Amino acid sequence: SQTIHQWPATLVQPVGSPLSLECTVEGTSNPNLYWYRQAAGRGLQLLFYSVGIGQISSEVPQNLSASRPQDRQFILSSKKLLLSDSGFYLCAWNRVGASGYTFGSGTRLTVV
Amino acid sequence: AQSVTQPDIHITVSEGASLELRCNYSYGATPYLFWYVQSPGQGLQLLLKYFSGDTLVQGIKGFEAEFKRSQSSFNLRKPSVHWSDAAEYFCAVGAGANNLFFGTGTRLTVIP
Repeated sequence: SQTIHQWPATLVQPVGSPLSLECTVEGTSNPNLYWYRQAAGRGLQLLFYSVGIGQISSEVPQNLSASRPQDRQFILSSKKLLLSDSGFYLCAWNRVGASGYTFGSGTRLTVV
Repeated sequence: AQSVTQPDIHITVSEGASLELRCNYSYGATPYLFWYVQSPGQGLQLLLKYFSGDTLVQGIKGFEAEFKRSQSSFNLRKPSVHWSDAAEYFCAVGAGANNLFFGTGTRLTVIP
């Protein structure tokens, strides 16, 4: 069966520090991969999605970047965190051509 | 453009009472519709989805939703709420793999 792993679960980082959040999917190949952010009291905002290795689409301009170095690995990064980067980050996947996602358990990022 | 509206930010119901969470969408074609639930600090879990066919959809945990094209709605219902149903609920609409749009969520509180 397919599983999605996301880590760390919680992270507290100072302003200006770098960020790396990792997401991996098991039990499938060539998944579509997504990064969402959920700010406090707000809905889900799609940040990036990827349909293949090295293929990244950005939905909103921001202080973050994403990379897909391997088929089932999706990384969210920042060179210098801002206070506004705080939030709950969710990784998700689905099969090519399918609708609906399976979500990871999320990472709570607090920038201080 | 696609959009999803969940007009109720927060709903409080008594345990055992019935529940209806509202969702209205805007989409140019027949959409795929979803309801997800998010427990505190967790990722999102799919409750149910509608693609086509019977407009009354049954999901997990005793939830159901009805697609009403004339009202552009996809309201989530449960006849008798349990304390464990306290969570945040998200409605989503999409027509393909990479354009799933989420509402801002409805937080459900269950009182004994």
